[in-house]
Amino acid sequence: GNSVTQMEGPVTLSEEAFLTINCTYTATGYPSLFWYVQYPGEGLQLLLKATKADDKGSNKGFEATYRKETTSFHLEKGSVQVSDSAVYFCALRDSGNTPLVFGKGTRLSVIA
Amino acid sequence: EAGVAQSPRYKIIEKRQSVAFWCNPISGHATLYWYQQILGQGPKLLIQFQNNGVVDDSQLPKDRFSAERLKGVDSTLKIQPAKLEDSAVYLCASSLGTTSNEQFFGPGTRLTVL
Repeated sequence: GNSVTQMEGPVTLSEEAFLTINCTYTATGYPSLFWYVQYPGEGLQLLLKATKADDKGSNKGFEATYRKETTSFHLEKGSVQVSDSAVYFCALRDSGNTPLVFGKGTRLSVIA
Repeated sequence: EAGVAQSPRYKIIEKRQSVAFWCNPISGHATLYWYQQILGQGPKLLIQFQNNGVVDDSQLPKDRFSAERLKGVDSTLKIQPAKLEDSAVYLCASSLGTTSNEQFFGPGTRLTVL
Protein backbone atom coordinates (compact mmCIF):
# COMPACT_ATOMS: atom_id res chain seq x y z
CA GLY A 1 0.00 0.00 0.00
CA ASN A 2 0.88 3.66 -0.12
CA SER A 3 3.06 5.12 2.60
CA VAL A 4 4.99 8.24 3.53
CA THR A 5 8.20 8.40 5.53
CA GLN A 6 9.48 11.68 6.89
CA MET A 7 12.43 12.56 9.07
CA GLU A 8 11.83 12.29 12.76
CA GLY A 9 11.98 15.34 14.93
CA PRO A 10 12.10 17.37 16.83
CA VAL A 11 14.11 19.76 14.75
CA THR A 12 15.41 22.84 16.55
CA LEU A 13 16.85 25.72 14.55
CA SER A 14 17.90 29.26 15.20
CA GLU A 15 16.04 32.05 13.48
CA GLU A 16 17.20 32.63 9.87
CA ALA A 17 18.66 29.13 9.59
CA PHE A 18 18.04 26.92 6.53
CA LEU A 19 15.41 24.24 6.92
CA THR A 20 15.13 20.86 5.24
CA ILE A 21 12.60 18.23 6.25
CA ASN A 22 13.00 15.03 4.27
CA CYS A 23 10.02 13.13 2.92
CA THR A 24 9.95 10.00 0.78
CA TYR A 25 6.95 8.05 -0.40
CA THR A 26 5.86 4.68 -1.71
CA ALA A 27 2.91 4.58 -4.07
CA THR A 28 1.55 2.25 -6.69
CA GLY A 29 0.40 4.98 -9.05
CA TYR A 30 1.21 8.65 -9.61
CA PRO A 31 0.14 10.41 -6.45
CA SER A 32 -0.25 14.07 -5.65
CA LEU A 33 2.05 15.19 -2.83
CA PHE A 34 1.34 17.64 -0.04
CA TRP A 35 2.86 19.35 2.95
CA TYR A 36 0.47 20.23 5.76
CA VAL A 37 1.32 22.36 8.81
CA GLN A 38 -0.22 22.23 12.26
CA TYR A 39 0.42 25.28 14.42
CA PRO A 40 -0.02 24.91 18.19
CA GLY A 41 -3.70 24.65 19.08
CA GLU A 42 -4.86 24.81 15.47
CA GLY A 43 -6.04 22.39 12.81
CA LEU A 44 -4.09 21.08 9.85
CA GLN A 45 -3.55 23.58 7.06
CA LEU A 46 -2.34 22.90 3.56
CA LEU A 47 1.07 24.48 3.11
CA LEU A 48 1.86 23.49 -0.47
CA LYS A 49 1.28 20.76 -2.99
CA ALA A 50 2.54 19.27 -6.27
CA THR A 51 0.52 17.07 -8.56
CA LYS A 52 3.08 15.70 -11.03
CA ALA A 53 6.76 14.96 -11.40
CA ASP A 54 9.13 17.96 -11.35
CA ASP A 55 6.37 20.27 -10.10
CA LYS A 56 7.49 22.67 -7.40
CA GLY A 57 5.03 23.71 -4.74
CA SER A 58 5.72 26.92 -2.84
CA ASN A 59 4.06 29.04 -0.18
CA LYS A 60 5.19 31.41 2.59
CA GLY A 61 8.84 30.92 1.61
CA PHE A 62 8.59 27.13 1.79
CA GLU A 63 9.30 25.00 -1.28
CA ALA A 64 9.17 21.34 -2.21
CA THR A 65 9.85 19.64 -5.54
CA TYR A 66 8.17 16.41 -6.66
CA ARG A 67 11.05 14.07 -7.51
CA LYS A 68 9.72 10.91 -9.09
CA GLU A 69 13.15 9.37 -9.65
CA THR A 70 13.94 9.49 -5.93
CA THR A 71 10.29 9.30 -4.76
CA SER A 72 10.89 12.35 -2.60
CA PHE A 73 9.21 15.64 -1.70
CA HIS A 74 11.59 17.39 0.68
CA LEU A 75 10.43 20.61 2.33
CA GLU A 76 12.86 23.54 2.36
CA LYS A 77 12.94 27.13 3.56
CA GLY A 78 15.88 29.43 3.26
CA SER A 79 15.39 31.42 6.44
CA VAL A 80 13.06 30.22 9.17
CA GLN A 81 11.26 32.45 11.63
CA VAL A 82 10.01 31.81 15.15
CA SER A 83 6.48 31.84 13.74
CA ASP A 84 7.31 28.76 11.64
CA SER A 85 7.41 26.64 14.80
CA ALA A 86 4.84 23.92 14.16
CA VAL A 87 4.43 20.27 13.21
CA TYR A 88 4.86 19.56 9.51
CA PHE A 89 3.23 16.58 7.81
CA CYS A 90 4.07 15.16 4.42
CA ALA A 91 1.16 13.43 2.71
CA LEU A 92 0.12 11.83 -0.54
CA ARG A 93 -3.14 11.17 -2.29
CA ASP A 94 -3.52 8.61 -5.01
CA SER A 95 -6.01 10.32 -7.27
CA GLY A 96 -9.18 12.33 -7.33
CA ASN A 97 -11.09 12.35 -4.11
CA THR A 98 -9.23 9.63 -2.23
CA PRO A 99 -8.10 10.09 1.39
CA LEU A 100 -4.72 11.47 2.32
CA VAL A 101 -1.95 9.20 3.59
CA PHE A 102 0.23 11.06 6.09
CA GLY A 103 3.71 10.70 7.46
CA LYS A 104 4.26 10.79 11.20
CA GLY A 105 4.99 14.50 11.30
CA THR A 106 8.11 16.51 12.17
CA ARG A 107 8.05 19.03 14.96
CA LEU A 108 10.02 22.19 14.20
CA SER A 109 11.03 24.63 16.91
CA VAL A 110 12.67 27.88 15.89
CA ILE A 111 14.41 29.86 18.61
CA ALA A 112 15.24 33.55 18.49
CA GLU B 1 -16.26 31.41 4.48
CA ALA B 2 -16.67 29.41 7.66
CA GLY B 3 -14.32 26.49 8.14
CA VAL B 4 -14.96 22.95 9.29
CA ALA B 5 -16.53 22.98 12.75
CA GLN B 6 -16.05 20.24 15.32
CA SER B 7 -17.30 19.75 18.84
CA PRO B 8 -16.45 19.16 21.53
CA ARG B 9 -12.82 20.28 21.41
CA TYR B 10 -11.85 18.11 24.36
CA LYS B 11 -13.39 15.06 25.99
CA ILE B 12 -12.27 12.90 28.88
CA ILE B 13 -14.05 9.63 29.56
CA GLU B 14 -13.39 6.38 31.31
CA LYS B 15 -12.88 3.14 29.42
CA ARG B 16 -16.04 1.31 28.44
CA GLN B 17 -17.98 4.58 28.31
CA SER B 18 -19.50 5.95 25.11
CA VAL B 19 -18.63 9.18 23.34
CA ALA B 20 -19.80 11.05 20.26
CA PHE B 21 -18.14 13.70 18.15
CA TRP B 22 -19.83 16.10 15.78
CA CYS B 23 -18.58 17.69 12.56
CA ASN B 24 -20.10 20.34 10.34
CA PRO B 25 -18.22 20.60 7.05
CA ILE B 26 -17.81 23.65 4.85
CA SER B 27 -21.06 24.48 3.11
CA GLY B 28 -21.37 22.74 -0.23
CA HIS B 29 -18.64 20.19 0.42
CA ALA B 30 -19.87 16.79 -0.68
CA THR B 31 -17.03 14.72 0.74
CA LEU B 32 -16.40 14.33 4.46
CA TYR B 33 -13.57 12.44 6.14
CA TRP B 34 -12.92 11.36 9.71
CA TYR B 35 -9.26 10.81 10.62
CA GLN B 36 -7.73 9.52 13.85
CA GLN B 37 -4.44 11.07 14.96
CA ILE B 38 -2.69 9.21 17.75
CA LEU B 39 -0.02 11.17 19.60
CA GLY B 40 3.25 11.17 17.66
CA GLN B 41 1.68 9.83 14.47
CA GLY B 42 0.10 11.26 11.36
CA PRO B 43 -3.65 11.22 10.84
CA LYS B 44 -5.16 7.96 9.57
CA LEU B 45 -8.45 7.69 7.77
CA LEU B 46 -11.34 6.12 9.63
CA ILE B 47 -14.18 6.74 7.20
CA GLN B 48 -14.99 8.73 4.07
CA PHE B 49 -18.47 9.88 3.04
CA GLN B 50 -19.62 11.14 -0.33
CA ASN B 51 -22.84 13.04 0.43
CA ASN B 52 -24.66 10.61 2.75
CA GLY B 53 -23.04 7.43 1.41
CA VAL B 54 -19.96 5.66 2.75
CA VAL B 55 -17.08 5.50 0.25
CA ASP B 56 -14.42 3.89 2.44
CA ASP B 57 -14.72 2.52 5.95
CA SER B 58 -12.13 -0.23 5.65
CA GLN B 59 -10.06 1.15 8.55
CA LEU B 60 -13.00 1.78 10.89
CA PRO B 61 -13.09 -0.63 13.88
CA LYS B 62 -16.72 -1.46 13.34
CA ASP B 63 -17.11 -3.41 16.55
CA ARG B 64 -16.91 -0.16 18.51
CA PHE B 65 -16.87 2.76 16.07
CA SER B 66 -19.79 4.01 14.02
CA ALA B 67 -20.38 7.11 11.93
CA GLU B 68 -23.25 8.60 10.05
CA ARG B 69 -24.00 11.51 7.77
CA LEU B 70 -27.73 11.15 7.40
CA LYS B 71 -28.58 14.30 5.47
CA GLY B 72 -25.29 14.59 3.64
CA VAL B 73 -24.21 17.60 5.65
CA ASP B 74 -23.00 17.22 9.24
CA SER B 75 -21.70 13.98 10.64
CA THR B 76 -21.29 12.21 13.97
CA LEU B 77 -18.65 9.70 14.96
CA LYS B 78 -19.38 7.45 17.94
CA ILE B 79 -17.25 5.13 20.01
CA GLN B 80 -19.00 2.55 22.16
CA PRO B 81 -17.39 1.23 24.31
CA ALA B 82 -14.17 3.21 24.42
CA LYS B 83 -10.78 1.62 25.04
CA LEU B 84 -7.59 3.19 26.34
CA GLU B 85 -6.02 2.98 22.88
CA ASP B 86 -8.78 5.21 21.46
CA SER B 87 -7.11 8.21 23.09
CA ALA B 88 -6.31 10.43 20.13
CA VAL B 89 -7.32 13.56 18.25
CA TYR B 90 -10.25 12.97 15.92
CA LEU B 91 -10.08 15.17 12.86
CA CYS B 92 -12.87 15.94 10.46
CA ALA B 93 -12.08 17.18 6.97
CA SER B 94 -14.19 18.10 3.98
CA SER B 95 -13.68 18.73 0.30
CA LEU B 96 -15.80 19.75 -2.65
CA GLY B 97 -15.81 16.20 -3.93
CA THR B 98 -14.31 16.77 -7.34
CA THR B 99 -10.88 15.70 -8.52
CA SER B 100 -7.73 17.57 -7.54
CA ASN B 101 -9.37 19.39 -4.68
CA GLU B 102 -8.10 20.44 -1.28
CA GLN B 103 -9.20 18.88 1.99
CA PHE B 104 -9.97 21.40 4.72
CA PHE B 105 -9.52 20.24 8.30
CA GLY B 106 -11.36 21.15 11.45
CA PRO B 107 -9.57 21.85 14.75
CA GLY B 108 -10.13 18.32 15.99
CA THR B 109 -11.53 16.73 19.14
CA ARG B 110 -8.95 15.54 21.64
CA LEU B 111 -10.21 12.39 23.38
CA THR B 112 -8.60 11.05 26.52
CA VAL B 113 -9.74 7.63 27.74
CA LEU B 114 -8.79 6.87 31.35
